[in-house]
Amino acid sequence: KAGVTQTPRYLIKTRGQQVTLSCSPISGHRSVSWYQQTPGQGLQFLFEYFSETQRNKGNFPGRFSGRQFSNSRSEMNVSTLELGDSALYLCASSLSDGSQETQYFGPGTRLLVL
Amino acid sequence: AQSVTQLGSHVSVSEGALVLLRCNYSSSVPPYLFWYVQYPNQGLQLLLKYTTGATLVKGINGFEAEFKKSETSFHLTKPSAHMSDAAEYFCAVSGGHSGGYQKVTFGTGTKLQVIP
Repeated sequence: KAGVTQTPRYLIKTRGQQVTLSCSPISGHRSVSWYQQTPGQGLQFLFEYFSETQRNKGNFPGRFSGRQFSNSRSEMNVSTLELGDSALYLCASSLSDGSQETQYFGPGTRLLVL
Repeated sequence: AQSVTQLGSHVSVSEGALVLLRCNYSSSVPPYLFWYVQYPNQGLQLLLKYTTGATLVKGINGFEAEFKKSETSFHLTKPSAHMSDAAEYFCAVSGGHSGGYQKVTFGTGTKLQVIP
Protein backbone atom coordinates (compact mmCIF):
# COMPACT_ATOMS: atom_id res chain seq x y z
CA LYS A 1 0.00 0.00 0.00
CA ALA A 2 1.43 3.38 -0.98
CA GLY A 3 2.24 5.83 1.78
CA VAL A 4 1.30 9.46 2.15
CA THR A 5 2.59 11.48 -0.75
CA GLN A 6 3.18 15.20 -0.86
CA THR A 7 3.85 17.33 -3.86
CA PRO A 8 5.93 19.18 -4.62
CA ARG A 9 8.79 18.16 -2.36
CA TYR A 10 10.59 21.45 -2.71
CA LEU A 11 9.35 24.88 -3.65
CA ILE A 12 10.82 28.35 -3.93
CA LYS A 13 8.54 31.37 -3.97
CA THR A 14 8.90 35.10 -3.45
CA ARG A 15 7.14 37.31 -0.95
CA GLY A 16 3.59 38.18 -1.89
CA GLN A 17 3.04 35.13 -4.04
CA GLN A 18 0.69 32.34 -3.16
CA VAL A 19 1.36 28.62 -3.03
CA THR A 20 -0.68 25.43 -3.07
CA LEU A 21 0.63 22.21 -1.57
CA SER A 22 -0.92 18.83 -2.18
CA CYS A 23 -1.26 15.74 -0.01
CA SER A 24 -2.51 12.34 -1.07
CA PRO A 25 -3.36 10.18 1.94
CA ILE A 26 -3.07 6.45 2.20
CA SER A 27 -5.87 4.77 0.29
CA GLY A 28 -8.96 4.51 2.46
CA HIS A 29 -7.83 7.14 4.94
CA ARG A 30 -10.35 9.92 5.45
CA SER A 31 -8.54 12.16 7.93
CA VAL A 32 -5.77 14.48 6.79
CA SER A 33 -3.83 16.82 9.07
CA TRP A 34 -1.33 19.53 8.19
CA TYR A 35 1.60 20.77 10.24
CA GLN A 36 4.25 23.47 9.86
CA GLN A 37 7.79 22.91 11.10
CA THR A 38 10.29 25.76 11.42
CA PRO A 39 13.54 26.09 13.38
CA GLY A 40 12.12 29.00 15.35
CA GLN A 41 8.57 27.91 16.11
CA GLY A 42 9.03 24.16 15.98
CA LEU A 43 6.14 21.94 15.01
CA GLN A 44 2.74 23.56 14.85
CA PHE A 45 -0.64 22.13 13.98
CA LEU A 46 -2.34 23.85 11.07
CA PHE A 47 -5.63 22.05 10.49
CA GLU A 48 -7.33 18.70 10.17
CA TYR A 49 -9.85 17.58 7.58
CA PHE A 50 -12.19 14.64 7.77
CA SER A 51 -14.57 13.69 4.99
CA GLU A 52 -14.14 17.06 3.27
CA THR A 53 -14.87 19.05 6.45
CA GLN A 54 -12.38 21.00 8.51
CA ARG A 55 -12.58 19.40 11.92
CA ASN A 56 -9.88 21.30 13.80
CA LYS A 57 -7.78 24.38 13.21
CA GLY A 58 -4.62 25.69 14.78
CA ASN A 59 -3.65 29.28 15.47
CA PHE A 60 -2.65 30.47 12.04
CA PRO A 61 -3.80 33.57 10.16
CA GLY A 62 -6.44 33.39 7.47
CA ARG A 63 -3.74 33.39 4.80
CA PHE A 64 -3.46 29.69 5.52
CA SER A 65 -6.35 27.68 4.20
CA GLY A 66 -7.05 24.17 3.12
CA ARG A 67 -9.57 21.86 1.65
CA GLN A 68 -10.20 18.19 1.16
CA PHE A 69 -11.70 16.55 -1.86
CA SER A 70 -14.11 13.65 -2.08
CA ASN A 71 -11.21 11.27 -2.74
CA SER A 72 -9.63 12.48 0.54
CA ARG A 73 -6.79 14.25 -1.21
CA SER A 74 -6.07 17.53 0.49
CA GLU A 75 -4.54 20.83 -0.49
CA MET A 76 -3.34 23.69 1.60
CA ASN A 77 -2.94 27.18 0.28
CA VAL A 78 -0.90 30.05 1.61
CA SER A 79 -1.62 33.45 0.14
CA THR A 80 0.51 36.57 0.28
CA LEU A 81 3.60 34.68 1.31
CA GLU A 82 5.88 36.11 3.96
CA LEU A 83 9.50 35.24 4.68
CA GLY A 84 8.39 33.57 7.90
CA ASP A 85 6.33 31.08 5.96
CA SER A 86 9.52 29.31 4.94
CA ALA A 87 9.11 25.92 6.54
CA LEU A 88 8.69 22.20 6.14
CA TYR A 89 4.98 21.48 5.70
CA LEU A 90 3.98 18.01 6.79
CA CYS A 91 0.81 16.16 5.98
CA ALA A 92 -0.48 13.12 7.84
CA SER A 93 -3.36 10.77 7.26
CA SER A 94 -5.31 8.38 9.42
CA LEU A 95 -8.19 6.06 8.75
CA SER A 96 -10.97 7.70 10.70
CA ASP A 97 -10.87 8.37 14.39
CA GLY A 98 -7.48 9.73 15.42
CA SER A 99 -7.81 8.29 18.87
CA GLN A 100 -7.92 4.76 17.57
CA GLU A 101 -5.92 4.86 14.40
CA THR A 102 -2.25 5.25 13.70
CA GLN A 103 -1.29 8.43 11.93
CA TYR A 104 1.09 8.25 8.98
CA PHE A 105 3.15 11.21 7.82
CA GLY A 106 4.34 12.17 4.39
CA PRO A 107 7.92 13.32 3.71
CA GLY A 108 6.90 16.96 3.67
CA THR A 109 7.12 19.89 1.30
CA ARG A 110 9.98 22.26 1.97
CA LEU A 111 8.96 25.81 1.10
CA LEU A 112 11.48 28.61 0.82
CA VAL A 113 10.16 32.15 0.54
CA LEU A 114 12.62 34.72 -0.78
CA ALA B 1 -5.13 25.57 27.14
CA GLN B 2 -2.43 23.00 26.78
CA SER B 3 1.34 22.92 26.66
CA VAL B 4 4.25 20.51 26.53
CA THR B 5 7.69 20.80 28.08
CA GLN B 6 10.49 18.53 26.98
CA LEU B 7 13.40 18.61 29.39
CA GLY B 8 16.69 18.64 27.56
CA SER B 9 17.02 19.69 23.96
CA HIS B 10 19.93 17.27 23.55
CA VAL B 11 20.43 13.92 25.23
CA SER B 12 23.43 11.64 24.76
CA VAL B 13 23.50 7.98 25.73
CA SER B 14 25.90 5.15 25.10
CA GLU B 15 24.87 2.32 22.83
CA GLY B 16 23.16 -0.29 25.00
CA ALA B 17 22.29 2.18 27.76
CA LEU B 18 18.82 3.18 28.92
CA VAL B 19 17.11 5.92 26.96
CA LEU B 20 14.97 8.32 28.98
CA LEU B 21 13.39 11.34 27.32
CA ARG B 22 11.30 13.52 29.58
CA CYS B 23 7.99 15.13 28.79
CA ASN B 24 5.65 17.07 31.03
CA TYR B 25 2.33 18.44 29.87
CA SER B 26 -0.49 20.63 30.96
CA SER B 27 -4.03 20.28 29.75
CA SER B 28 -7.39 21.52 30.96
CA VAL B 29 -9.10 18.35 29.72
CA PRO B 30 -8.08 14.69 29.83
CA PRO B 31 -5.25 14.62 27.35
CA TYR B 32 -4.20 12.46 24.51
CA LEU B 33 -0.41 12.17 24.52
CA PHE B 34 1.94 11.26 21.71
CA TRP B 35 5.60 10.66 21.01
CA TYR B 36 6.91 11.15 17.50
CA VAL B 37 10.34 10.53 16.02
CA GLN B 38 11.92 12.42 13.17
CA TYR B 39 14.98 11.10 11.39
CA PRO B 40 17.20 13.59 9.54
CA ASN B 41 15.55 15.01 6.46
CA GLN B 42 12.47 12.90 6.92
CA GLY B 43 8.91 13.38 8.05
CA LEU B 44 7.51 12.39 11.43
CA GLN B 45 6.70 8.90 12.55
CA LEU B 46 4.31 8.17 15.37
CA LEU B 47 6.09 6.10 18.04
CA LEU B 48 3.22 5.64 20.44
CA LYS B 49 0.17 7.33 21.86
CA TYR B 50 -1.90 7.35 25.00
CA THR B 51 -5.61 7.97 24.80
CA THR B 52 -7.36 6.13 27.62
CA GLY B 53 -6.96 2.90 29.53
CA ALA B 54 -3.61 1.33 30.34
CA THR B 55 -1.13 3.96 31.42
CA LEU B 56 1.92 2.08 30.14
CA VAL B 57 1.96 2.36 26.40
CA LYS B 58 4.19 0.28 24.18
CA GLY B 59 5.23 1.62 20.83
CA ILE B 60 7.37 0.70 17.91
CA ASN B 61 11.12 0.03 17.95
CA GLY B 62 11.07 -1.06 21.60
CA PHE B 63 9.98 2.28 23.02
CA GLU B 64 7.40 2.72 25.72
CA ALA B 65 5.96 5.57 27.76
CA GLU B 66 4.01 5.79 30.97
CA PHE B 67 1.21 8.27 31.58
CA LYS B 68 1.43 9.59 35.13
CA LYS B 69 -1.49 11.89 35.80
CA SER B 70 -0.29 12.92 39.26
CA GLU B 71 3.04 14.04 37.81
CA THR B 72 1.59 15.30 34.51
CA SER B 73 4.34 13.37 32.79
CA PHE B 74 4.67 11.10 29.81
CA HIS B 75 8.35 10.11 29.70
CA LEU B 76 9.66 7.97 26.86
CA THR B 77 11.98 5.06 27.61
CA LYS B 78 13.86 2.28 25.87
CA PRO B 79 15.92 -0.26 27.80
CA SER B 80 18.83 -0.43 25.38
CA ALA B 81 19.78 2.25 22.88
CA HIS B 82 20.75 1.37 19.33
CA MET B 83 22.70 3.55 16.94
CA SER B 84 19.60 3.68 14.75
CA ASP B 85 17.71 5.47 17.55
CA ALA B 86 19.65 8.68 16.90
CA ALA B 87 16.96 11.14 15.86
CA GLU B 88 14.82 13.96 17.18
CA TYR B 89 11.89 13.06 19.40
CA PHE B 90 8.79 15.15 19.93
CA CYS B 91 6.22 14.86 22.67
CA ALA B 92 2.74 16.18 21.90
CA VAL B 93 -0.58 16.67 23.63
CA SER B 94 -4.09 17.15 22.34
CA GLY B 95 -7.35 17.77 24.09
CA GLY B 96 -8.80 14.67 22.53
CA HIS B 97 -11.99 13.33 23.99
CA SER B 98 -14.22 12.56 21.07
CA GLY B 99 -11.62 11.32 18.69
CA GLY B 100 -9.73 12.94 15.90
CA TYR B 101 -6.33 14.51 15.95
CA GLN B 102 -7.65 17.59 17.63
CA LYS B 103 -5.59 20.69 18.00
CA VAL B 104 -2.21 19.25 18.81
CA THR B 105 0.55 21.05 20.69
CA PHE B 106 4.12 19.83 20.26
CA GLY B 107 7.11 20.11 22.50
CA THR B 108 10.31 21.68 21.22
CA GLY B 109 11.94 18.35 20.62
CA THR B 110 14.86 16.39 22.07
CA LYS B 111 17.74 15.32 19.86
CA LEU B 112 19.03 11.94 20.90
CA GLN B 113 22.67 11.13 20.23
CA VAL B 114 23.81 7.54 20.63
CA ILE B 115 27.51 7.11 21.30
CA PRO B 116 29.16 3.88 20.14
